[in-house]
Amino acid sequence: AQSVAQPEDQVNVAEGNPLTVKCTYSVSGNPYLFWYVQYPNRGLQFLLKYITGDNLVKGSYGFEAEFNKSQTSFHLKKPSALVSDSALYFCAVSAASGNTPLVFGKGTRLSVIA
Amino acid sequence: NAGVTQTPKFQVLKTGQSMTLQCAQDMNHNSMYWYRQDPGMGLRLIYYSASEGTTDKGEVPNGYNVSRLNKREFSLRLESAAPSQTSVYFCASSVPGQGKYFGPGTRLTVL
Repeated sequence: AQSVAQPEDQVNVAEGNPLTVKCTYSVSGNPYLFWYVQYPNRGLQFLLKYITGDNLVKGSYGFEAEFNKSQTSFHLKKPSALVSDSALYFCAVSAASGNTPLVFGKGTRLSVIA
Repeated sequence: NAGVTQTPKFQVLKTGQSMTLQCAQDMNHNSMYWYRQDPGMGLRLIYYSASEGTTDKGEVPNGYNVSRLNKREFSLRLESAAPSQTSVYFCASSVPGQGKYFGPGTRLTVL
């Protein structure tokens, strides 16, 4: 069975600094990996995904994530954080083979301080 | 194109009452899902439907039933609500290997 770990409940970063939100995963075979963002009292919004190809994936709002197969990681990054990036971020994984459901991490709350 | 819609947005039930959460999508997606979100727990899959006419249990199916009425609609039913089912419920739809589209959520409180 697949699983996702987001080791940090909370990440604080100053506006303009780079940010990283960590994610590691476990899955049989090749993974499909996703990042979602949730703003207060809203549903989840898709940010980016890794299916195959380049290990560095670029997504919405200037975010990117790097797939590292040897470390089974898919960390979310942004070169320069904005206050408006403050939200709850979820990493998710499903197995590439078969139509397996998506499994989510517990979420990391990002606070960007002006 | 409304995406994924859910009704109601808010609901308060008493223990033992029943209710159905409605979900519809207009993107012609085969797969639909019901998740619950609890603080510190992330999203947990309750049930999913890979295609019209099929449903499967997820991680936390106990106390729930689902119906895939047609390709567009996927409802979640609580037959006898319990306080442990107080949560925010999200419906989602997708095609395999692609990102999921989530509805706005239903905030349910069971007293």
